[in-house]
Amino acid sequence: QKEVEQNSGPLSVPEGAIASLNCTYSDRVSQSFFWYRQYSGKSPELIMSIYSNGDKEDGRFTAQLNKASQYVSLLIRDSQPSDSATYLCAVTYAGGTSYGKLTFGQGTILTVHP
Amino acid sequence: DTAVSQTPKYLVTQMGNDKSIKCEQNLGHDTMYWYKQDSKKFLKIMFSYNNKELIINETVPNRFSPKSPDKAHLNLHINSLELGDSAVYFCASSPRVAGELFFGEGSRLTVL
Repeated sequence: QKEVEQNSGPLSVPEGAIASLNCTYSDRVSQSFFWYRQYSGKSPELIMSIYSNGDKEDGRFTAQLNKASQYVSLLIRDSQPSDSATYLCAVTYAGGTSYGKLTFGQGTILTVHP
Repeated sequence: DTAVSQTPKYLVTQMGNDKSIKCEQNLGHDTMYWYKQDSKKFLKIMFSYNNKELIINETVPNRFSPKSPDKAHLNLHINSLELGDSAVYFCASSPRVAGELFFGEGSRLTVL
């Protein structure tokens, strides 16, 4: 069974700090990697996608991918209370019956306190 | 205009009943999905349609039956509801198979 693992948290950081969210996945034949943010009672929304090894930056968000270690992370710089949410890591797989399927981790709850 | 809309947003019903959830997207996407999010917030794929064709059919009880009359609509019908069916059901669409999903607001189903 292909798995995506996240620390469920909660992760608590002070306002202005860097929040670091981590995710590991079990299958080496993984294709694309995504971070979704879900506010309480709302639907998930895509905030970052990354397809190749290295870093990808978008505003205060940086996604990091290391396929050799099967590890993807999300850094949030200058964290704000409005960043408090559940962050979901998601992975697609390249072949077999899992082709095209987006598999989610259980999510990490982030709390940014003033 | 809401991009992915689901109705109803809330359903409260008794065990054994049958219920349907409807989903419509106006983004012009070819692929639509049903996801289930349980009480622990775990989001799991149930079905996916690409241009009205079923492409992903997870291990879901056959009491759940999706239907896609056209590529902008994907409905979910559930027969003989059970307590364990209580969850939030999200519809989503994507411009390509998997990848970047646009979610609806969710339909919270409570089975008593």
